[in-house]
Amino acid sequence: DIQMTQSPSSLSASVGDRVTITCQASQDISNFLHWYQQKPGKAPKLLISGASNLETGVPSRFSGSGSGTDFTFTITSLQPEDIATYYCQQYTNIPYTFGQGTKLEIK
Amino acid sequence: QVQLQESGPGLVKPSETLSLTCTVSGGSISRYYWSWVRQPPGKGLEWIGFIHYSGDTDNNPSLKGRVTISVDTSKSQFSLKLRSVTAADTAVYYCAGGKERLYYWGRGTLVTVSS
Repeated sequence: DIQMTQSPSSLSASVGDRVTITCQASQDISNFLHWYQQKPGKAPKLLISGASNLETGVPSRFSGSGSGTDFTFTITSLQPEDIATYYCQQYTNIPYTFGQGTKLEIK
Repeated sequence: QVQLQESGPGLVKPSETLSLTCTVSGGSISRYYWSWVRQPPGKGLEWIGFIHYSGDTDNNPSLKGRVTISVDTSKSQFSLKLRSVTAADTAVYYCAGGKERLYYWGRGTLVTVSS
């Protein structure tokens, strides 16, 4: 199985801050990576597909980049409604696997 | 807008079979792939498997052959069966629309494995 490692596991930031989360794959996954947002008590929501493609309706402050084994997810100006846990997911090989999640809190 | 709703028992005894159904509304079940994902309490997401109405299906080998995913197009439903459950199978189970790109999600249903 491909292991996905996210850093950090938790993060505290202030409104307006730039926030960056990294996701590292245990082998080359090209750009076969998605990013999801999960708010407490809710289902995940797809934000970014194919490493860098913003889903329809997702605010432009969210972005993703990377290929191969190293990926980055960025929020350019943190908003209170962005409080959530964020997950990366690879889909190069079955089983599709998720990172362990990054819990984002407001400072 | 496609909507998904999970249904099934919230409590299952150890060694028995967990059975969940996902009802699809607002769109054709024949149009997309459909998936199951689970999340143990306080933990991360685990991909369970997917199905297409054509019969294309696959699932997570870590579940050791205990999984069956099926689809009933006449009812606009797809289902999950997980056999020989243990406490480690206690989780919120989500149904989702998509194969590897999960763009529609149900609200999730908590299934507890306990005697």
